[in-house]
Amino acid sequence: SQKIEQNSEALNIQEGKTATLTCNYTNYSPAYLQWYRQDPGRGPVFLLLIRENEKEKRKERLKVTFDTTLKQSLFHITASQPADSATYLCALATGNEKLTFGTGTRLTIIP
Amino acid sequence: DAGITQSPRHKVTETGTPVTLRCHQTENHRYMYWYRQDPGHGLRLIHYSYGVKDTDKGEVSDGYSVSRSKTEDFLLTLESATSSQTSVYFCAIAGTSGIHYNEQFFGPGTRLTVL
Repeated sequence: SQKIEQNSEALNIQEGKTATLTCNYTNYSPAYLQWYRQDPGRGPVFLLLIRENEKEKRKERLKVTFDTTLKQSLFHITASQPADSATYLCALATGNEKLTFGTGTRLTIIP
Repeated sequence: DAGITQSPRHKVTETGTPVTLRCHQTENHRYMYWYRQDPGHGLRLIHYSYGVKDTDKGEVSDGYSVSRSKTEDFLLTLESATSSQTSVYFCAIAGTSGIHYNEQFFGPGTRLTVL
């Protein structure tokens, strides 16, 4: 069956360190993968998109990698700040402009 | 923020009653989606629309119907609400560019409680 797993439900990181979140999938061949941020009580907000032919994408302190052989994406936040605390969702393109989301990782940056 | 609103924002209803949630956009985007979000399950697609009067089922469509008579409005109906439909419902929209790799913009959500 198809499955998307995000490495842990919760992750605590010291301020200033790099936070690394993992998204693994099975039985998909997505043309692209996206990462979203969700704050409590709000809808998800798009952060980054990476295509199957791209290895890495950066945006300010964010970096995403995409390894279609390992079926894995890594999401990095460098120089993390308490304001980065949120739930982060990965989402795979699963055909016809549809996305399938992982269950998310709740990231807490500890001052 | 993308121009997308949901109404109502909160609703409490009883088992067996019909419920309609509305999603309204001002972006003229082609695609609209309804998701539900539950602890341990994440966001799951209920139905989506790829144009006026063009809709299709998602992963968890049983017990739900949708309609889209105008580009800007996408309605989600629970014909006879059940307690298992207690959830937070999100609407999302997506446009199209030359290639089909588009971000989705989400509404603020509707918290529905079925007693």
